[in-house]
Amino acid sequence: GQQLNQSPQSMFIQEGEDVSMNCTSSSIFNTWLWYKQEPGEGPVLLIALYKAGELTSNGRLTAQFGITRKDSFLNISASIPSDVGIYFCAGQLGETSGSRLTFGEGTQLTVNP
Amino acid sequence: SAVISQKPSRDICQRGTSLTIQCQVDSQVTMMFWYRQQPGQSLTLIATANQGSEATYESGFVIDKFPISRPNLTFSTLTVSNMSPEDSSIYLCSVARTVGNEQYFGPGTRLTVT
Repeated sequence: GQQLNQSPQSMFIQEGEDVSMNCTSSSIFNTWLWYKQEPGEGPVLLIALYKAGELTSNGRLTAQFGITRKDSFLNISASIPSDVGIYFCAGQLGETSGSRLTFGEGTQLTVNP
Repeated sequence: SAVISQKPSRDICQRGTSLTIQCQVDSQVTMMFWYRQQPGQSLTLIATANQGSEATYESGFVIDKFPISRPNLTFSTLTVSNMSPEDSSIYLCSVARTVGNEQYFGPGTRLTVT
């Protein structure tokens, strides 16, 4: 089946620093999604990307859908302590796959004040 | 987005017993899904809950172990049957308004099997 390789696995940064994480796949996806999960909560959707090459921002978050449709990255600018959590990428083939999501392994982000 | 609730939020169960988890959405949705998240791991799709018909299970998951119901467009249940400690996980439901739309997740049910 499809696999998503997400990196880095964990990051320890200082407040105010920028963060970048990415996902790559051996096969193409039609949609890329980025979620954040905090302890004791379900994943929360941050950004959804629908077109190859698309660059989308949500506040301090920016994500891009790779041209090859096999990768995506998420950037967080000027990190703050509440950015702490696990960030997951997810790929979706679309209607033909019944909307199934394939998840990356997650990036654990720690922000030191 | 949609407001999604799950019951129970957590439970501790004895091996050999079964637990039914409920997922309720505040509006009608076409798609509902059930995921498992084992400790420290990512999310794995168990099945797609189909309204009025049998769920569609992913490889490695079977109906006898994880029976699913979906009586209408706002509600679904997942039962974890004949539990063992290996079933200790977070179980999450997600919804999408239509096929191909982005998915939104409930808060999860934290299950511990002793």
